Amino acid sequence: QSALTQPPSASGSPGQSVTISCTGTSSDVGGYNYVSWYKQHPGKAPKLMIYEVSKRPSGVPDRFSGSKSGNTASLTVSGLQAEDEADYYCSSYAGSNNLVFGGGTKVTVL
Amino acid sequence: EVQLVESGGGLVKPGGSLRLSCAASGFTFSSYTMNWVRQAPGKGLEWVSSISSSSSYIYYADSLKGRFTISRDNAKNSLFLQMNSLRAEDTAVYYCARDRGNSLAEFDYWGQGTLVTVSS
Repeated sequence: QSALTQPPSASGSPGQSVTISCTGTSSDVGGYNYVSWYKQHPGKAPKLMIYEVSKRPSGVPDRFSGSKSGNTASLTVSGLQAEDEADYYCSSYAGSNNLVFGGGTKVTVL
Repeated sequence: EVQLVESGGGLVKPGGSLRLSCAASGFTFSSYTMNWVRQAPGKGLEWVSSISSSSSYIYYADSLKGRFTISRDNAKNSLFLQMNSLRAEDTAVYYCARDRGNSLAEFDYWGQGTLVTVSS
């Protein structure tokens, strides 16, 4: 199973919005509404930010939103804050009891 | 408070074996599917294996080719990963993670990870 495709980097100024894409195929992203997004600071464990394409776990600010169109999912971070600077990973159920992650996107707050 | 604490990592020679453990607390461990996810140094996340709440369903990433075995002990709130025939490419931080919806789709709690280094 191939990894999902994410841009290596994205950036924005404080208060701006940044959108990260996650491209897969009809066998993963496009075939299931089981796309998740994780935030990871260096040396720390990942944190679930979005699940089932657009749902936020309790405690995650509504500045984080997710969507999907066809084989591409997206994570948008609005009102960028310094603490949003981190690596972000998408994942998708890929059928046949498999889960695939994206390669990760480093978000920089300028 | 949900806590997952991994242990058992370390330095092992190629071809060797290692058994990782994950101690869970703060939730009903026996009700959740659990997973192992690894991250090679400077690389992205890779799902390794999943085990259902009663151990009835066990799944592995195709890349592992039968070298790893996942198991759990619900009486001791513990998750395990037996790793055999280790290779340099297995070097990674190994995380245990709880499956939020028992759907192999979203992991809502993660441990801090344990580092496995395969080197001669």
